[in-house]
Amino acid sequence: EAQVTQNPRYLITVTGKKLTVTCSQNMNHEYMSWYRQDPGLGLRQIYYSMNVEVTDKGDVPEGYKVSRKEKRNFPLILESPSPNQTSLYFCASSLSGGLATEAFFGQGTRLTVV
Amino acid sequence: KQEVTQIPAALSVPEGENLVLNCSFTDSAIYNLQWFRQDPGKGLTSLLLIQSSQREQTSGRLNASLDKSSGRSTLYIAASQPGDSATYLCAVVSGGGADGLTFGKGTHLIIQP
Repeated sequence: EAQVTQNPRYLITVTGKKLTVTCSQNMNHEYMSWYRQDPGLGLRQIYYSMNVEVTDKGDVPEGYKVSRKEKRNFPLILESPSPNQTSLYFCASSLSGGLATEAFFGQGTRLTVV
Repeated sequence: KQEVTQIPAALSVPEGENLVLNCSFTDSAIYNLQWFRQDPGKGLTSLLLIQSSQREQTSGRLNASLDKSSGRSTLYIAASQPGDSATYLCAVVSGGGADGLTFGKGTHLIIQP
């Protein structure tokens, strides 16, 4: 089954404790991205990757890091989480960078930073 | 910068009605537009993708139209059912293609049995 898998689904952590949210897709997609969803603000892009070893900032990249060492994986790293990073996070993939291709989303990771 | 607006923000209708959800975007230079459905506690499910060169797409009881020149799209749901209750999100890809999706804030739809 074609899918985007995120882990964990739920995470509660303390300020400053480094964490990683994993994302994996099995569709051989080149383009992967991370979004956060906040009430009243909607979904906003954090980082994206056009292909292996190619990453770039989205609209709200501050406080986040990403890496793309393999085509299927695109982890999101919070080196020193803060309460304002409490949010619902989604990973997405598509065949190529935006152009006329359908985006597939993971189930989401609800992160709470206390 | 691209902005996407969805109207109405919330909608409640009796089962069986046909309904229309609206989406507008400020920059008509888009590559595609996609409609998603989001259920509470779950991810986004893609419903329909319309390429910039297309006028509409259909899937079952859903029909999405695109008028790129006026910056508008509509999602038509025929014969609504309680299972259609969800938040519907509209998103566009614009810019150089490397840009991600720009989302509207969604329409929260409730279908009353």
